[in-house]
Amino acid sequence: SQQGEEDPQALSIQEGENATMNCSYKTSINNLQWYRQNSGRGLVHLILIRSNEREKHSGRLRVTLDTSKKSSSLLITASRAADTASYFCATVANQAGTALIFGKGTTLSVSS
Amino acid sequence: KAGVTQTPRYLIKTRGQQVTLSCSPISGHRSVSWYQQTPGQGLQFLFEYFSETQRNKGNFPGRFSGRQFSNSRSEMNVSTLELGDSALYLCASSLDEGAYIYGYTFGSGTRLTVV
Repeated sequence: SQQGEEDPQALSIQEGENATMNCSYKTSINNLQWYRQNSGRGLVHLILIRSNEREKHSGRLRVTLDTSKKSSSLLITASRAADTASYFCATVANQAGTALIFGKGTTLSVSS
Repeated sequence: KAGVTQTPRYLIKTRGQQVTLSCSPISGHRSVSWYQQTPGQGLQFLFEYFSETQRNKGNFPGRFSGRQFSNSRSEMNVSTLELGDSALYLCASSLDEGAYIYGYTFGSGTRLTVV
């Protein structure tokens, strides 16, 4: 079963614009992670935010976490064509051992 | 350092056959997990291994099995293949007792097609 659910399912923007993706989850978590996947290849770990953190930055990425709303957002600033990929949030539910469970992802398309 | 290596990259099998997929984690990583990715179901968790012990198992039938060796390499086996088993199978490794601490490093996957 899916723990996280991303929104929107698909997003198309122009180069230079910002892209925002949202993730909602169902149960309390230890941390939330974001991954990127390019065209059916392996996933790449982008950023991890712990349940006691509210915001985290990594380069052009900004992640926020609101545990009261059970939601997170990933912001990519000044998007580039190379950012075209699927983005997934993943969580480890506190009561479900250590298995990392992924949402269905947001497909981002950045055109030049 | 070398990444997570999955072999083979592509595989075509016939219904009813069995298949074994292999995963070599990053050197020093002791936690290995497997995922099945399909367009309809997305990324589904299969198993998680740590130090040769299965720590978690997803909701898959008994036809799906796995194991981890003392060198942390892992294999998964699918017996009596069905058309619905066609998917990208991804292996991921993590430094210690799970991705909840460090996050995963993924391999490029094995694309299995069942005909």
